[in-house]
Amino acid sequence: AQSVTQLGSHVSVSEGALVLLRCNYSSSVPPYLFWYVQYPNQGLQLLLKYTSAATLVKGINGFEAEFKKSETSFHLTKPSAHMSDAAEYFCAVMIGSSNTGKLIFGQGTTLQVKP
Amino acid sequence: EADIYQTPRYLVIGTGKKITLECSQTMGHDKMYWYQQDPGMELHLIHYSYGVNSTEKGDLSSESTVSRIRTEHFPLTLESARPSHTSQYLCASSEFVAGGRDTQYFGPGTRLTVL
Repeated sequence: AQSVTQLGSHVSVSEGALVLLRCNYSSSVPPYLFWYVQYPNQGLQLLLKYTSAATLVKGINGFEAEFKKSETSFHLTKPSAHMSDAAEYFCAVMIGSSNTGKLIFGQGTTLQVKP
Repeated sequence: EADIYQTPRYLVIGTGKKITLECSQTMGHDKMYWYQQDPGMELHLIHYSYGVNSTEKGDLSSESTVSRIRTEHFPLTLESARPSHTSQYLCASSEFVAGGRDTQYFGPGTRLTVL
């Protein structure tokens, strides 16, 4: 069964420092992976997605993620954190290979950015 | 990107009341979804629809019901609200893509509090 594990429920970085949010997946078929961001009292906004094309995926707001099949990982990174990056980040995997594809979400990682 | 609207954004209501959470999208997406999210937790799928007159229960059991009479509208109803229904409810939609590998876009959510 497909699943997603996000390592670290809280990550704290200083402004300007590297951001690394970890996501590992379990899937018996080639995965379709997503990162979403959720700002307080808002819905989820798509950051980026992996669709089996390039393994390094670039998203919005300077974020990128690298798909590593050998490590079953899809970690999210950003070279330099900004105060506005403080939010909740969710990794998700789509299950199902037909029209019934559904998203399974990780537990979420709260990113805190210190001045 | 989809434009998805949810109303109300916040609702505080007493036990036993009937409530309907509205969700509408303007992109003509065939697929629509309802997720439930408790504070600081991941999202769980409670209902989904692949088109008009199609509704299915999701992975998390819910006492709510949904209907899909029009493509753009996917309301969620609780016949008798209870404190255990207190949560955030997020609506999403996606365009049909062959193979089921579509991308879901989310509304801003409704934060429900049942007293």
